[in-house]
Amino acid sequence: AQSVTQLDSQVPVFEEAPVELRCNYSSSVSVYLFWYVQYPNQGLQLLLKYLSGSTLVESINGFEAEFNKSQTSFHLRKPSVHISDTAEYFCAVKNSGYALNFGKGTSLLVTP
Amino acid sequence: NAGVTQTPKFQVLKTGQSMTLQCAQDMNHNSMYWYRQDPGMGLRLIYYSASEGTTDKGEVPNGYNVSRLNKREFSLRLESAAPSQTSVYFCASSGAGGAQFFGPGTRLTVL
Repeated sequence: AQSVTQLDSQVPVFEEAPVELRCNYSSSVSVYLFWYVQYPNQGLQLLLKYLSGSTLVESINGFEAEFNKSQTSFHLRKPSVHISDTAEYFCAVKNSGYALNFGKGTSLLVTP
Repeated sequence: NAGVTQTPKFQVLKTGQSMTLQCAQDMNHNSMYWYRQDPGMGLRLIYYSASEGTTDKGEVPNGYNVSRLNKREFSLRLESAAPSQTSVYFCASSGAGGAQFFGPGTRLTVL
């Protein structure tokens, strides 16, 4: 089964600075890739997904992620973060089965 | 649409007690899932149901049972709760494409 590695457990960043949250998965076979965000004491919300087609996918709140098959990566980026982006971010992969395999999460802390 | 709903939101049990966590979705999804979330562990799959009438074990099924009551509802039962089952439990559902949609979670403490 596919596994997911989120390379940073915590990422502190100043407001309006750019940020990249890194995600690598274990194999280059066909996969579906997802980023989820979890705000404190809430469930996970789908941020964006890659199923096929364009390797750059975008969310409605300014995040984007690029699928890189050769590097088996799906890093999440935002050019300018806000205080409200403070949350836990999870990368997930799905291959032929039904379930998703989640990374352990990256805590993004945005400070003024 | 309410999406995925879970009850209760909070629960405290004593060791050995039993309880059932309820989950319902109104998105007409075929597949439903139960996860637990523990600090530093991410989400781990307990059980899933690919379609009505089927259930399968996930990564950490020991100590749990599930019932897919109908297409909308998927319950998780702890027959004899243990402190190691203290966790936050999330239910999710998915349709075509594989993206899963999550409920708000149940915070369970076992004393």
